[in-house]
Amino acid sequence: DGGITQSPKYLFRKEGQNVTLSCEQNLNHDAMYWYRQDPGQGLRLIYYSQIVNDFQKGDIAEGYSVSREKKESFPLTVTSAQKNPTAFYLCASSTAGGEKLFFGSGTQLSVL
Amino acid sequence: GQQLNQSPQSMFIQEGEDVSMNCTSSSIFNTWLWYKQDPGEGPVLLIALYKAGELTSNGRLTAQFGITRKDSFLNISASIPSDVGIYFCAGHRSGTYKYIFGTGTRLKVLA
Repeated sequence: DGGITQSPKYLFRKEGQNVTLSCEQNLNHDAMYWYRQDPGQGLRLIYYSQIVNDFQKGDIAEGYSVSREKKESFPLTVTSAQKNPTAFYLCASSTAGGEKLFFGSGTQLSVL
Repeated sequence: GQQLNQSPQSMFIQEGEDVSMNCTSSSIFNTWLWYKQDPGEGPVLLIALYKAGELTSNGRLTAQFGITRKDSFLNISASIPSDVGIYFCAGHRSGTYKYIFGTGTRLKVLA
């Protein structure tokens, strides 16, 4: 089945630690995105990538980093500089032109 | 960041009832998307709309692209308990990679 796979489902971060969230898609989409979702709030864009080896900051990129070495993969690193990382993280990809946006099942990140 | 105004914010309905919700924007979009999200899960795309006035169905769900291109509507007919969840809209402008999301409608169905 085609889709977007995020792992792990749950992740815990210790103080001062960097953690990486995985996102893999087999939809052959060029564009991929990372969103953050906080309880009772809408989706906020962290980073997006339109093509391999290229990515742009979204609205809340501080404390996060990404890479796009392969079309299928767009991992997100939550660095120790992100002081409030507890949230639900969603990876997404879109069709050419952006007419449809599909999401993965999400990763819940919590701080120990 | 910008969010689309979605109403109602939440609603309780009886099983078998029809449900309507809408999404409004101060600016126009080329695409409207509707999603359902269950707790702890990612949003699932329900319906995509591409043309002003377009009416599209997916089973018991029907969505419309407003003629002003600034709003969209979602109807659920004959609701069932598994319709419980959060529904939200998203607007997209051609040539951009930015999606603007609605504030969400929390639906609760009473059996």
